[in-house]
Amino acid sequence: DADVTQTPRNRITKTGKRIMLECSQTKGHDRMYWYRQDPGLGLRLIYYSFDVKDINKGEISDGYSVSRQAQAKFSLSLESAIPNQTALYFCATRDRLGEQFFGPGTRLTVL
Amino acid sequence: KNEVEQSPQNLTAQEGEFITINCSYSVGISALHWLQQHPGGGIVSLFMLSSGKKKHGRLIATINIQEKHSSLHITASHPRDSAVYICAVALLIQGAQKLVFGQGTRLTINP
Repeated sequence: DADVTQTPRNRITKTGKRIMLECSQTKGHDRMYWYRQDPGLGLRLIYYSFDVKDINKGEISDGYSVSRQAQAKFSLSLESAIPNQTALYFCATRDRLGEQFFGPGTRLTVL
Repeated sequence: KNEVEQSPQNLTAQEGEFITINCSYSVGISALHWLQQHPGGGIVSLFMLSSGKKKHGRLIATINIQEKHSSLHITASHPRDSAVYICAVALLIQGAQKLVFGQGTRLTINP
């Protein structure tokens, strides 16, 4: 079984809809991250969390919110999806040595 | 100017060739990561290094901290090495370590 899982893997939705992307990990890492990837651009950080009570904005947090329900779960929400949020979204964890472990990605299309 | 620049952006080679992908960065870092993203989208960590050289099988990563430059080499390349290779640097920003990603190098190995 994968150490970092994301659901759904693919989602097509309409402008204005609320969307939640979920991430779970079995690695026991405190640090979790949400990134988005757009064609021709590097991955960009949306939000990160160092533990259940510590959540921080990344470089592109506008239009997104997160919830760290437990050490193992970190969800990303789009309150009112817009077409320029169409992207590939990755959840990742980080161990104490700094190595990153990525989920398989969620491909989101907003029409 | 991007903080992390990779070259080339695209590389096509024949099976068996020696491959080099370069990464330059403009700021002080605590570590540098090389990641591999397969056509299906998943991202796998290949190396994390802060000095010198690391080797895993046919892959070799080097870093020169003074010159702010890293290279990823693939010896005896194979079609299964075809993927996007991403360089990312770990920066300390506002007391937290964050990754800044390059745009990636798309590698195609033809049989």
